[in-house]
Amino acid sequence: EPEVTQTPSHQVTQMGQEVILRCVPISNHLYFYWYRQILGQKVEFLVSFYNNEISEKSEIFDDQFSVERPDGSNFTLKIRSTKLEDSAMYFCARAIEAFFGQGTRLTVV
Amino acid sequence: QKEVEQNSGPLSVPEGAIASLNCTYSDRVSQSFFWYRQYSGKSPELIMSIYSNGDKEDGRFTAQLNKASQYVSLLIRDSQPSDSATYLCAVKYLAAGNKLTFGGGTRVLVKP
Repeated sequence: EPEVTQTPSHQVTQMGQEVILRCVPISNHLYFYWYRQILGQKVEFLVSFYNNEISEKSEIFDDQFSVERPDGSNFTLKIRSTKLEDSAMYFCARAIEAFFGQGTRLTVV
Repeated sequence: QKEVEQNSGPLSVPEGAIASLNCTYSDRVSQSFFWYRQYSGKSPELIMSIYSNGDKEDGRFTAQLNKASQYVSLLIRDSQPSDSATYLCAVKYLAAGNKLTFGGGTRVLVKP
């Protein structure tokens, strides 16, 4: 059973559209992360969330990105205006050791 | 810039043999080290973590850490075809918050 559950498993969107990726933790933890992996490339850190606040973000995580925990349990990663280069697998993970969810494959066309 | 380097492979190993994977990192002041297995199209799965110099064994896996030489390795004993995957090394750098920096992974092929 995954540590976190992500939806959708695959999202296809047109360039310039907004997308929202969701992550549901199985149990309560303090640390959550979003990572992404462009096809054939390294897993890259995007943002960390500690105790319901952003604790750290990478240079990738620019103004186009936002993360929320709207109801105290689910996490969302929003990309406001998608670009072709946003196409990647997006992973939610809990804890510093990064127990990953199954990922959302985002395809921007 | 904190880096983690791995040989991309593929590392071809006969079934039953030992697969040896290496990972080097750029900052001597590093806290924690992790190995993940990633099957194609799937998410990384944590195999081992290691925090202090020496060896750590878990089943068929052994992680070895040498902080003075700035490398961490993973040995897979009695390799099975199901071990065929990409193995990712990740480092938590002391001065880089609580995120992980990943290497590019080593692809392992275990041939029956």
